[in-house]
Amino acid sequence: GAGVSQSPRYKVAKRGQDVALRCDPISGHVSLFWYQQALGQGPEFLTYFQNEAQLDKSGLPSDRFFAERPEGSVSTLKIQRTQQEDSAVYLCASSLDSSGARSSYNEQFFGPGTRLTVL
Amino acid sequence: AQTVTQSQPEMSVQEAETVTLSCTYDTSESNYYLFWYKQPPSRQMILVIRQEAYKQQNATENRFSVNFQKAAKSFSLKISDSQLGDTAMYFCAFMKPGTASKLTFGTGTRLQVTL
Repeated sequence: GAGVSQSPRYKVAKRGQDVALRCDPISGHVSLFWYQQALGQGPEFLTYFQNEAQLDKSGLPSDRFFAERPEGSVSTLKIQRTQQEDSAVYLCASSLDSSGARSSYNEQFFGPGTRLTVL
Repeated sequence: AQTVTQSQPEMSVQEAETVTLSCTYDTSESNYYLFWYKQPPSRQMILVIRQEAYKQQNATENRFSVNFQKAAKSFSLKISDSQLGDTAMYFCAFMKPGTASKLTFGTGTRLQVTL
């Protein structure tokens, strides 16, 4: 595909519902990131995958948040028992590689995000 | 931990004029990357410009340039010949090189370009 895609673009959930947000990264991209952007704020890191391995989940705000990337391509961010404070835009980004070299840089390409509103 | 601060919530500039957006950051790292991202209403984050900390020369991309002051931990964005299409949120961001290179963003500056 031409870029990172996310679905749905908009999601409205009642408090207590479970939701699943999907990210399709650029084909061949090894690294995948999820960010949460609250209204009027900058994005904040949630979690990172290298292929299918979740190497960093330090930004997940609670155990209600769960992410997976079982085949190293598409990723799903799941939020259980949604709360009003979960309302935000969820951004996904992918990059070609994060090789671990001290001086390496890999541009992150962002999707359009999913706007989640919890009523 | 790194922090990024943008002290200008909103800025306005007339078309064809020049505007400067401010950003400061705090880190103990000696090598890192700094970025400016543009986020239009479509929400798609678009990379505007990148600066590598070990390079003294300020980065430029067409009408966009930065003033990188490493000792002062300052990283401002200058937009010349502003265009209506530049209207957007602008985020300053920090990244360490290497594995799991997550971005740390500031709170953003809303730029409005007017006729």
